[in-house]
Amino acid sequence: AQSVAQPEDQVNVAEGNPLTVKCTYSVSGNPYLFWYVQYPNRGLQFLLKYITGDNLVKGSYGFEAEFNKSQTSFHLKKPSALVSDSALYFCAVRDLNTGTASKLTFGTGTRLQVTL
Amino acid sequence: GAVVSQHPSRVICKSGTSVKIECRSLDFQATTMFWYRQFPKQSLMLMATSNEGSKATYEQGVEKDKFLINHASLTLSTLTVTSAHPEDSSFYICSADPGGVTEQYFGPGTRLTVT
Repeated sequence: AQSVAQPEDQVNVAEGNPLTVKCTYSVSGNPYLFWYVQYPNRGLQFLLKYITGDNLVKGSYGFEAEFNKSQTSFHLKKPSALVSDSALYFCAVRDLNTGTASKLTFGTGTRLQVTL
Repeated sequence: GAVVSQHPSRVICKSGTSVKIECRSLDFQATTMFWYRQFPKQSLMLMATSNEGSKATYEQGVEKDKFLINHASLTLSTLTVTSAHPEDSSFYICSADPGGVTEQYFGPGTRLTVT
């Protein structure tokens, strides 16, 4: 069974500072990894994904994430946070070995609060 | 980009009535759609996987007779909450999988309140 852990319920950072939102995963085969963002009362917006290739993937709104196979991690990062980045962030994993329309497993979410 | 819509965005109904929520992929075809439920300040809970032209696959603990899912076309899936009760009040989100690519596209969600 696949699983995702987001160890921090909330991350607080000052605007202009770098941010990191942590994610670790567990799958039986090769993972597809995703980050989504959710604003209040809205659905999820896709930020970025890792499939294969370069371990550092770049996504929307200046976010990036680094895939680390040995540590089974996929932490989300941004060099300079904005107040508008404040939202709920979800890490998700999809096991490649279970087919093309397989389920996503989500972490519990991390609330990012960026203050002035 | 790929767009998924949900209708209605908000609905208030009385206990005992049924409510239908529609999920549409607007610019692509989706052989598979997923229905999630999200409680306040919690993660998404997968309720069921909906495949076009076949019966939905429900997750453990989700009552299939309570949450009826129909995926009649490659662009439309519906979730009907039957005989709704206040404990069914929640935020329901659908997603669509176009196949051949890796990410799912999510709808904006439907806030259901049962009084």
